Amino acid sequence: TQLLEQSPQFLSIQEGENLTVYCNSSSVFSSLQWYRQEPGEGPVLLVTVVTGGEVKKLKRLTFQFGDARKDSSLHITAAQPGDTGLYLCAGTAGNTGKLIFGQGTTLQVKP
Amino acid sequence: SAVISQKPSRDICQRGTSLTIQCQVDSQVTMMFWYRQQPGQSLTLIATANQGSEATYESGFVIDKFPISRPNLTFSTLTVSNMSPEDSSIYLCSGQTQNYGYTFGSGTRLTVV
Repeated sequence: TQLLEQSPQFLSIQEGENLTVYCNSSSVFSSLQWYRQEPGEGPVLLVTVVTGGEVKKLKRLTFQFGDARKDSSLHITAAQPGDTGLYLCAGTAGNTGKLIFGQGTTLQVKP
Repeated sequence: SAVISQKPSRDICQRGTSLTIQCQVDSQVTMMFWYRQQPGQSLTLIATANQGSEATYESGFVIDKFPISRPNLTFSTLTVSNMSPEDSSIYLCSGQTQNYGYTFGSGTRLTVV
């Protein structure tokens, strides 16, 4: 069974601080995705990484896929209160198309 | 990208009854999935909804409890049967689009009393 370990599970920081969320597995994933979810809504896709070593940037968010495609990180620079939410990493399991989710990181950015 | 309309958005149900949740996608998706989520926690996959055939269930989930239908490429239903308070959760559907894209419904918050 493929598992994704996401850390930290909770993060409370001040506006302007930087943070990094990690997603690790002992298994190789064909692709890995990061989602952000707000209360009462479904997860919204932020980025998909497919190639080992890939780095993608989305404004203040930087996503990295490990060389071996077993781990990923999300780095937020100068966090803002609008970044508050639940962040989820998810990997596609083989050819099934199923998404396996990490435990999630609840981020609170205080003004 | 595809948009999924999920309903109802929430419901409060008596134990022993059943609730059917519907998801309608505005375009064809290759695969559809159903998840369960406790508030503030991660998503657990219940099953893959297969078009025109029986759904594929994950360990711990069975068809008698969570019957699923997918009559075409844009519509699926999940029924939570013979509900108990332990079934209180958020239920979400998801569709896989091309190039590994996934879109989610906004969820159904179910409370069983």
